[in-house]
Amino acid sequence: ETGVTQTPRHLVMGMTNKKSLKCEQHLGHNAMYWYKQSAKKPLELMFVYNFKEQTENNSVPSRFSPECPNSSHLFLHLHTLQPEDSALYLCASSQNKGRGETQYFGPGTRLLVL
Amino acid sequence: DQQVKQNSPSLSVQEGRISILNCDYTNSMFDYFLWYKKYPAEGPTFLISISSIKDKNEDGRFTVFLNKSAKHLSLHIVPSQPGDSAVYFCAAPRGTGANNLFFGTGTRLTVIP
Repeated sequence: ETGVTQTPRHLVMGMTNKKSLKCEQHLGHNAMYWYKQSAKKPLELMFVYNFKEQTENNSVPSRFSPECPNSSHLFLHLHTLQPEDSALYLCASSQNKGRGETQYFGPGTRLLVL
Repeated sequence: DQQVKQNSPSLSVQEGRISILNCDYTNSMFDYFLWYKKYPAEGPTFLISISSIKDKNEDGRFTVFLNKSAKHLSLHIVPSQPGDSAVYFCAAPRGTGANNLFFGTGTRLTVIP
C-alpha cells in the first residue's frame, strides 16, 4: 500500500464510547498531522507530530488524545465525545515539519457522535 | 477569525472554458500560498503553490495569480475538464517556522461536459 491510509473510514459512536482512529503513512515522512473538518468550516489543525514528538496542540479538548508510536503511525483516541465533534477527521504527513513542505492527506474518517 | 477565505462555495463551468477560483486572505504576513484539490471520499491533494515573491505560477492547465496589495489570489484552470470537478481549497502556512496551514472553506467546481 502507498500513500496515507486511515481506518476506519466511517465511525458512529455514542457519547460514552471510547474509540480510536488510525493513520498510517507509507511515504517515509517524519511529520504527521491531525485535522478536523466540520460542516461548512475550513480544515482545522489539531495536532502536529515530528519524529514522534508532539510539536503542536491547537487548543484541542482533552477528550481527543493523540498517540504517535513511530513516524509511520498516528492515532487519535476518542472518549466522551460530544455531538458537535461529529466531523471528518483527516490525517496528513510531510517529509519534515518545515514550512512549505507538501502535506499528503489520507481519505479521512467520517465520525458521527450520537 | 478566518484568515483565509473562499467566498464562493460553488462554481459551474462548461467544459473547455476557463474556471477561476478565488481566495482572499487577511494576514499581510502570509508569504506562501497553496491550492489543494479534493475529490469525494478522498483526502485533499496538493495542486500548485506560489511564493509572495512571484505574482504568477503556472503548471500546465493550472495557473495561480497573487495580488499582494489586494490580499487576493486566484486559481485559473484552462481549459476546464470534467475531471477537474472537485472541491478546491486555498491555504497558507501559519507561521514562519512551521508547516501548519490555515485553510479556506473550499469552492466546489463542477465542469459540465
